Amino acid sequence: AQKITQTQPGMFVQEKEAVTLDCTYDTSDPSYGLFWYKQPSSGEMIFLIYQGSYDQQNATEGRYSLNFQKARKSANLVISASQLGDSAMYFCAMREGYGDYKLSFGAGTTVTVRA
Amino acid sequence: NAGVTQTPKFQVLKTGQSMTLQCAQDMNHEYMSWYRQDPGMGLRLIHYSVGAGITDQGEVPNGYNVSRSTTEDFPLRLLSAAPSQTSVYFCASSYPRDRGAARQHYEQFFGPGTRLTVL
Repeated sequence: AQKITQTQPGMFVQEKEAVTLDCTYDTSDPSYGLFWYKQPSSGEMIFLIYQGSYDQQNATEGRYSLNFQKARKSANLVISASQLGDSAMYFCAMREGYGDYKLSFGAGTTVTVRA
Repeated sequence: NAGVTQTPKFQVLKTGQSMTLQCAQDMNHEYMSWYRQDPGMGLRLIHYSVGAGITDQGEVPNGYNVSRSTTEDFPLRLLSAAPSQTSVYFCASSYPRDRGAARQHYEQFFGPGTRLTVL
């Protein structure tokens, strides 16, 4: 079974608007972590934001925030005030268990920001 | 710090050839891993290592070997290249030995990738 599901293959967003990227996950381990990475057309993987399963508050990093709904097993990424430089592929990933650093990735969502 | 470095950036092989993809990190990380990225499938874990001398298989290990003789280096060997191994390969590292100085979530730092084509 897929551990990470990203149902939106591609999205368009207008510059300066917010966009939400969906991510649902599947695990039975009570200790896990959720990551979002950005991959621009140049190919590198850039870490954006992290949410731990025991974190009480939703994670935020600048214009990125994570809408963590534990009961629904979702960890959606919200990008506020989109910029042209946000055009990229975005990956949701999960590590399971304490002390385990293997990551399971979703298939990714391509975001295109329009001027 | 150079972070995670990978060589080569591009490689073309013929079916049956062998080669080694190099990966090195200078962040004193204990954990290193190799992923492959194929269109529409995200990244999949090939092999990983939790420290020098310790390696284990990931999700798609067949056709690949690894070794970890030092903390810094984690080479990936293709024993007999096949067209199905055409992909982009990423090396990543995490979990610094000096954990008091690092963020708690220990995100993985990725190298720039190697684009491999097997004809």
